[in-house]
Amino acid sequence: GEDVEQSLFLSVREGDSSVINCTYTDSSSTYLYWYKQEPGAGLQLLTYIFSNMDMKQDQRLTVLLNKKDKHLSLRIADTQTGDSAIYFCAENPGANNLFFGTGTRLTVIP
Amino acid sequence: DSGVTQTPKHLITATGQRVTLRCSPRSGDLSVYWYQQSLDQGLQFLIQYYNGEERAKGNILERFSAQQFPDLHSELNLSSLELGDSALYFCASRGQGENEQFFGPGTRLTVL
Repeated sequence: GEDVEQSLFLSVREGDSSVINCTYTDSSSTYLYWYKQEPGAGLQLLTYIFSNMDMKQDQRLTVLLNKKDKHLSLRIADTQTGDSAIYFCAENPGANNLFFGTGTRLTVIP
Repeated sequence: DSGVTQTPKHLITATGQRVTLRCSPRSGDLSVYWYQQSLDQGLQFLIQYYNGEERAKGNILERFSAQQFPDLHSELNLSSLELGDSALYFCASRGQGENEQFFGPGTRLTVL
């Protein structure tokens, strides 16, 4: 079955880069996603990557995909206090619905 | 703002009761998904509807049911509520041929 794993916590200093990691199990996933959840809010789609790509960059966000190791990462450059949130990676193993990781709580220290 | 709306924002009820959560997808989106976010289970897919028909089922309890109406809004019905049903319930919608799901703000259900 699907199993998406993330480390639970990450702390970085403002202005540094953050790297949030994710491992997934289902190699049939067509797309892999990163969502952001701020306190008391819903899930905001940040970015996604097609499974045949290695990298995708979108402003301060860089997604790296190692399909062989089933490893996905999200790098946030110049991390700001407004980036403090929970970040979820998700896979969709062909069934359209999403399977989410446990979420990584990012804390940005001023 | 994702364009997906959910009502109510908060719901407090007692064990054994029944509630209905409502979701309006983005304009024109035919697919609606329901997810549950709880402390112990994380974010779990419950059920998907496409243009009024059930399309996929996840970890949805038999006490829960959903439907999608001709105007494409969807309702999630939760009955015989238990304390463990306390959670955030999200709906998401997806347009035809699109790869992204857009989430609503969620309904926070508290069962006392």
